[in-house]
Amino acid sequence: ETGVTQTPRHLVMGMTNKKSLKCEQHLGHNAMYWYKQSAKKPLELMFVYSLEERVENNSVPSRFSPECPNSSHLFLHLHTLQPEDSALYLCASSQDSGGIEQFFGPGTRLTVL
Amino acid sequence: AQSVTQLGSHVSVSEGALVLLRCNYSSSVPPYLFWYVQYPNQGLQLLLKYTTGATLVKGINGFEAEFKKSETSFHLTKPSAHMSDAAEYFCAVSDQNFGNEKLTFGTGTRLTIIP
Repeated sequence: ETGVTQTPRHLVMGMTNKKSLKCEQHLGHNAMYWYKQSAKKPLELMFVYSLEERVENNSVPSRFSPECPNSSHLFLHLHTLQPEDSALYLCASSQDSGGIEQFFGPGTRLTVL
Repeated sequence: AQSVTQLGSHVSVSEGALVLLRCNYSSSVPPYLFWYVQYPNQGLQLLLKYTTGATLVKGINGFEAEFKKSETSFHLTKPSAHMSDAAEYFCAVSDQNFGNEKLTFGTGTRLTIIP
């Protein structure tokens, strides 16, 4: 595997389910990001981790819970989501949190019923 | 605060014609500027970036962009469109606030190539 990978690529869940999105970067980077991409809206930065420490949390609802066990892996735990949370969730990484070039994964297409 | 405006959510050009995708930004400090491309069912891929130096920046796949400070613009161009250029393009800006650079994205422009 190279670059940034995300699993699953597609996820359908009910509002009462609990699921997790996984991201893995194979670039030796120290910073990782979660973005939400909704139709006709700019990419929204959700969370930033640098060396496994959260450095940014852009007022994201608590039903989204990130976890960064090491600098190569990032998770987004989901519970009691709403239909408006349906979107493409993109993971990215950069050399560090001040890195100006981010490398993106292919995303997870999430549908909440 | 910084912001990015991409004029035209959809642009269609004929194969072989000039591609011009517009991006204007606002930033309180000299910015870093980026263009990313997103092909269907894929993540974002960096096309090109401006940080310092030459204001005309060349990227991958024959694309280039020019930073015009007086116009606060960073328009993306390609002299001759190819069918494989059909994708969504995102302009992004990052303040040169060392250690805290964050990307602010525009809403994207979907480029369609007409055979």
